[in-house]
Amino acid sequence: NAGVTQTPKFQVLKTGQSMTLQCAQDMNHNSMYWYRQDPGMGLRLIYYSASEGTTDKGEVPNGYNVSRLNKREFSLRLESAAPSQTSVYFCASSERGALIGELFFGEGSRLTVL
Amino acid sequence: QKEVEQNSGPLSVPEGAIASLNCTYSDRGSQSFFWYRQYSGKSPELIMSIYSNGDKEDGRFTAQLNKASQYVSLLIRDSQPSDSATYLCAVNKGGYQKVTFGTGTKLQVIP
Repeated sequence: NAGVTQTPKFQVLKTGQSMTLQCAQDMNHNSMYWYRQDPGMGLRLIYYSASEGTTDKGEVPNGYNVSRLNKREFSLRLESAAPSQTSVYFCASSERGALIGELFFGEGSRLTVL
Repeated sequence: QKEVEQNSGPLSVPEGAIASLNCTYSDRGSQSFFWYRQYSGKSPELIMSIYSNGDKEDGRFTAQLNKASQYVSLLIRDSQPSDSATYLCAVNKGGYQKVTFGTGTKLQVIP
């Protein structure tokens, strides 16, 4: 049982380059999330998708776009990477209703922007 | 004021002692509360959920919620070196489909 799978696990970009982080879950969860984690800042929500076909901005959406491709997959795109986007990115999924907040996380993607 | 606040620590406790981790939140409308454990270099892992006032026990872990005072705590009994990690408090305000995390408390259990 894979749970939440993220790719790639590591990536180095130059300023201005673009890339997409991929996330897939096999738990039949409705909601999916992208967080970034920085030292001293904790986990901050970038975008979330409450259900297939919907996406909404979180706390720090600037510089990012997302696509909920289907119920399983939720991708995060950096159109023009900046050094401030150097971070560890986590994808997560959860059920709806009272269980919102019981998040299952992927292993993370460590991104460095030079 | 941050939505979810935690002391960053480190909190050091001897092996076998009780570790007490605290968290306060600002939104009185918050409905669901969670504790996640994160080992260094790993992803967060849910260890406790609590939805109503009072205590909830699961093995060596007890979560405590006091909505009137807007705090939630996690007690770890018989602490083990393997409990050494950062503990993240998370809050869901209900109906918003999103969860807000505190910055975490680093726990060190000394053998």
